[in-house]
Amino acid sequence: DVKVTQSSRYLVKRTGEKVFLECVQDMDHENMFWYRQDPGLGLRLIYFSYDVKMKEKGDIPEGYSVSREKKERFSLILESASTNQTSMYLCASSPRGGGRRETQYFGPGTRLLVL
Amino acid sequence: KQEVTQIPAALSVPEGENLVLNCSFTDSAIYNLQWFRQDPGKGLTSLLLIQSSQREQTSGRLNASLDKSSGRSTLYIAASQPGDSATYLCSGRGSTLGRLYFGRGTQLTVWP
Repeated sequence: DVKVTQSSRYLVKRTGEKVFLECVQDMDHENMFWYRQDPGLGLRLIYFSYDVKMKEKGDIPEGYSVSREKKERFSLILESASTNQTSMYLCASSPRGGGRRETQYFGPGTRLLVL
Repeated sequence: KQEVTQIPAALSVPEGENLVLNCSFTDSAIYNLQWFRQDPGKGLTSLLLIQSSQREQTSGRLNASLDKSSGRSTLYIAASQPGDSATYLCSGRGSTLGRLYFGRGTQLTVWP
């Protein structure tokens, strides 16, 4: 069974703090993704990565950065948290290759509140 | 960029009804179409994936179809149950491998 874990379910931070959200997958997947989910806006892709040390910008990368030092771990970094980054953050992974292998597996999410 | 629209945004039905959730996308050059389920406060769970060369996929009481020419997909749920209550999201992949575009979801409530 594929397992994607996220370091925290709930997180409260103050404006201006540096925030790290960690995601780990145990299925040796090449692809990893970070989304945020907001009511009325749906899921929006922040960053994704096809392999170690690789990263690609999604639709809303501003204010975020990522790190992929190991294949199983993909970190999302909020350099200076702001209140408009209060959201649900979802991590996902998928194997490389097309067709049925493209199924994405999601973690349980981290609900971040920035005060 | 692929735009994905889901209709209706919310649906409330009595137990036992057969129902259809709709998804439309703007770019017919879609490679895969995937349906997910999301329970409140949780992550997404993949239900069905239809490859671009296929027309439909079935899993238990769920059947998903894909019509690339019209830019539509439907998720059919037979004999709905209260446990089916959740938000259902549709996603499509364009030319970038692995990159999905999501609709905003249909929130389904099935009452006993």
